Amino acid sequence: DAMVIQNPRYQVTQFGKPVTLSCSQTLNHNVMYWYQQKSSQAPKLLFHYYDKDFNNEADTPDNFQSRRPNTSFCFLDIRSPGLGDAAMYLCATSRQGAKEQYFGPGTRLTVT
Amino acid sequence: AQSVTQLGSHVSVSEGALVLLRCNYSSSVPPYLFWYVQYPNQGLQLLLKYTSAATLVKGINGFEAEFKKSETSFHLTKPSAHMSDAAEYFCAVSKAAGNKLTFGGGTRVLVKP
Repeated sequence: DAMVIQNPRYQVTQFGKPVTLSCSQTLNHNVMYWYQQKSSQAPKLLFHYYDKDFNNEADTPDNFQSRRPNTSFCFLDIRSPGLGDAAMYLCATSRQGAKEQYFGPGTRLTVT
Repeated sequence: AQSVTQLGSHVSVSEGALVLLRCNYSSSVPPYLFWYVQYPNQGLQLLLKYTSAATLVKGINGFEAEFKKSETSFHLTKPSAHMSDAAEYFCAVSKAAGNKLTFGGGTRVLVKP
C-alpha cells in the first residue's frame, strides 16, 4: 500500500544533542511537509518542500532544519533540542494541484 | 487571512447517539475544507473534504459534513456514535492557491458506553 512512513516512532534525545527524524513516502507526491504538534494542540507547520524548493514558515526557529535528498525522503534536523521541543512531529505529503494531505504516523520526541 | 474555529474542545456522546462537531471558517475566497481524525499516538487521517462540488460530503466511517456558505460552517456529523469514534477531530481550510492547511484547535470526542 502506498503510504507515508516515519522512523522512529519514538525518539528520546538529550538536551542539546542533535537529532534527526526521517520520513519516506511511496505515494510519489512532490510536496512534503513537517509539522510540530504539542499536546492537545493542532499541528503547526514548520516548513514544506515543493519538489526541491524549500519553504520555511516565518516563525519556525532556526534550530529546525530540513533536507530532502530525493522525492521519497525528507529529514527533520533539530540542531540543539530544548525541553520545549518535546512534541509529536508529523510528516505529510500532497500531490501537486491537490489540496488534501496524507500524514505519516508521527514521531514522538522526548527531550531529557 | 483564513482561519478555522472549532466550537468545543471536548465533546462527550453516548454510544449510538448523534455526533455533531462544529467548524466555522473565515475566508475571503471560496475555501477547500477538510475534516481529519487523529487517534492517540497516530498521524491524521482524512475523513472527508469539500472542494466546491456537492455541499453535502460523505466520508469514511459513516461521517458526513455539510458546507453552508451563508453560515460559513462545515459541521461534521455521524448519526450513531461507536466506541471506535473516540479520537480527536480537526477541521482544516485551504485556499485555492497553494497547498497549505490551516487547522482548527481540535475537538476531542469521548464515547460513553
